[in-house]
Amino acid sequence: DTGVSQDPRHKITKRGQNVTFRCDPISEHNRLYWYRQTLGQGPEFLTYFQNEAQLEKSRLLSDRFSAERPKGSFSTLEIQRTEQGDSAMYLCASSLMYEQYFGPGTRLTVT
Amino acid sequence: DAKTTQPNSMESNEEEPVHLPCNHSTISGTDYIHWYRQLPSQGPEYVIHGLTSNVNNRMASLAIAEDRKSSTLILHRATLRDAAVYYCILRDGMENQGGKLIFGQGTELSVKP
Repeated sequence: DTGVSQDPRHKITKRGQNVTFRCDPISEHNRLYWYRQTLGQGPEFLTYFQNEAQLEKSRLLSDRFSAERPKGSFSTLEIQRTEQGDSAMYLCASSLMYEQYFGPGTRLTVT
Repeated sequence: DAKTTQPNSMESNEEEPVHLPCNHSTISGTDYIHWYRQLPSQGPEYVIHGLTSNVNNRMASLAIAEDRKSSTLILHRATLRDAAVYYCILRDGMENQGGKLIFGQGTELSVKP
């Protein structure tokens, strides 16, 4: 257990529905990252926050994806109008220095 | 972002040393070499990082070539728990403490009893 928690751990949804994932980082960590991982591939960067500011967003992230980190604590990642291609493991990580600590991930299946 | 090249897979016997290679011929002077590993059904975890000198910690050692175009992660005595995908990642040191990780395919290490 790294101290980073994610909820839910698994989510099955129908195509076209909206889903929201939550990440609780290690409390003193000011940076928070979201990654997506599909089977057999390494994690792919989506976005990151320093405190409450979203500092970078991947060009691969469509407008259907939005992330927030109110008050610089927990973060949410919302996917609107889900598509089958969104099926993946969504990983959250937090850091204070150079080392990123990853949560267990949320596995999304879009049917 | 500078790229790394790793073998897709490697095998090791339990309690023997393992040397995991990584090539990064386009590394820049400010790039740090980081290693993460991902155990089955878990998120990645940090292993070690270095800039120029060889580094040791409780998990592993990192040997960096003099020209910095390659590096080797060394597990001194492999255990079954070390079976994982190992990722070699370059991070720009000018980003100081933050910045995204760019993962490649990694090396899948299997450990035989």
